[in-house]
Amino acid sequence: GAVVSQHPSRVICKSGTSVKIECRSLDFQATTMFWYRQFPKQSLMLMATSNEGSKATYEQGVEKDKFLINHASLTLSTLTVTSAHPEDSSFYICSASRTGTSYEQYFGPGTRLTVT
Amino acid sequence: EDQVTQSPEALRLQEGESSSLNCSYTVSGLRGLFWYRQDPGKGPEFLFTLYSAGEEKEKERLKATLTKKESFLHITAPKPEDSATYLCAVQAGGQNFVFGPGTRLSVLP
Repeated sequence: GAVVSQHPSRVICKSGTSVKIECRSLDFQATTMFWYRQFPKQSLMLMATSNEGSKATYEQGVEKDKFLINHASLTLSTLTVTSAHPEDSSFYICSASRTGTSYEQYFGPGTRLTVT
Repeated sequence: EDQVTQSPEALRLQEGESSSLNCSYTVSGLRGLFWYRQDPGKGPEFLFTLYSAGEEKEKERLKATLTKKESFLHITAPKPEDSATYLCAVQAGGQNFVFGPGTRLSVLP
């Protein structure tokens, strides 16, 4: 159990366009999902926390108008990178936390975004 | 401010050579300490959660321990397939995790 999927796994887009990344918890309900960004050989940096049915909470320095997060159901959250620029190229990883008392986060396989 | 450091940054071991990875933390009100394994180009894979000082957990060749200031991930007789980056994260008062920079482990055959 506790499988999280992401789609797409890799995406290349042109500068100025928008790209959407999906995160799904496949076999459990996730009231909370997290979005991280990871640069090469660096650790994960939390971008935002999203709770089902409410607005996402963004970390300091993360532009909410640029990184749109929607958590429409207990199994799906989406991250849309709007007006992408080459500096947005990175590895984006989502995680999901089960409902109840478990504190563990289960991570998706990540999405490699390249903006040309 | 909650902080997590990991050492060493990188570690090379021969197959069968046991060693330990360190995760040191300063948080107020630790709710949990988590170990993950991450392979290149993939998301982190959950290994262990530790909640209180003195707690230990084992899984195959891995054993995680926790004190009030640090956690160790002991690797006994490692194999090349244990090569990965090992990440430590702590959760304090809120829901958010603070990740350490990771230790890149290479196990040579």
